[in-house]
Amino acid sequence: DAGVTQSPTHLIKTRGQHVTLRCSPISGHKSVSWYQQVLGQGPQFIFQYYEKEERGRGNFPDRFSARQFPNYSSELNVNALLLGDSALYLCASSLTTPGTPNTEAFFGQGTRLTVV
Amino acid sequence: AQSVTQLDSHVSVSEGTPVLLRCNYSSSYSPSLFWYVQHPNKGLQLLLKYTSAATLVKGINGFEAEFKKSETSFHLTKPSAHMSDAAEYFCVVTDSGTYKYIFGTGTRLKVLA
Repeated sequence: DAGVTQSPTHLIKTRGQHVTLRCSPISGHKSVSWYQQVLGQGPQFIFQYYEKEERGRGNFPDRFSARQFPNYSSELNVNALLLGDSALYLCASSLTTPGTPNTEAFFGQGTRLTVV
Repeated sequence: AQSVTQLDSHVSVSEGTPVLLRCNYSSSYSPSLFWYVQHPNKGLQLLLKYTSAATLVKGINGFEAEFKKSETSFHLTKPSAHMSDAAEYFCVVTDSGTYKYIFGTGTRLKVLA
């Protein structure tokens, strides 16, 4: 079985540009979450989607948005990129929402975004 | 509010000696607790999880963790370190009914030959 797949693996963008990151969850998983991991820190929660609806949003500006498609894949969009947006963006997939007992999240390899 | 504190940012051990990575948590309700490992330039891999069953949890690669409610701790241990254990380890908490994981700041484990 394929795990969580994210694309692209790396990309470099210029300040002010827009970026779209993609995630395909494990087959059968209906929940996708996005996390930002800045170098030297733990991942920080950005969004959680379940059954194509946003169920949670972290403390990130409105420049960050996401959506989940009917096939449960997801996109994370970031507008007006800042240097501080440089990070590893991780997608996590789970059967149900995190916090449901016995639910565990499976993480992709991440997308390394560098803003110059 | 939920929070996680990993008490050591760096831990160094010699190969073949025990590993102890410390984690304290704060949770309002009934927490689920996890340890994840991240090797360089890799995603996160689940080592083990506690979800209110046995307080001593066994994971992959010989790792264990013990949930101690009275001490609000969930420390990760391994009897004998291997070179391949060198990585970043994250303690994670989530509560029933919530939608997100709260990560600690991570502990970088170095294994010396």
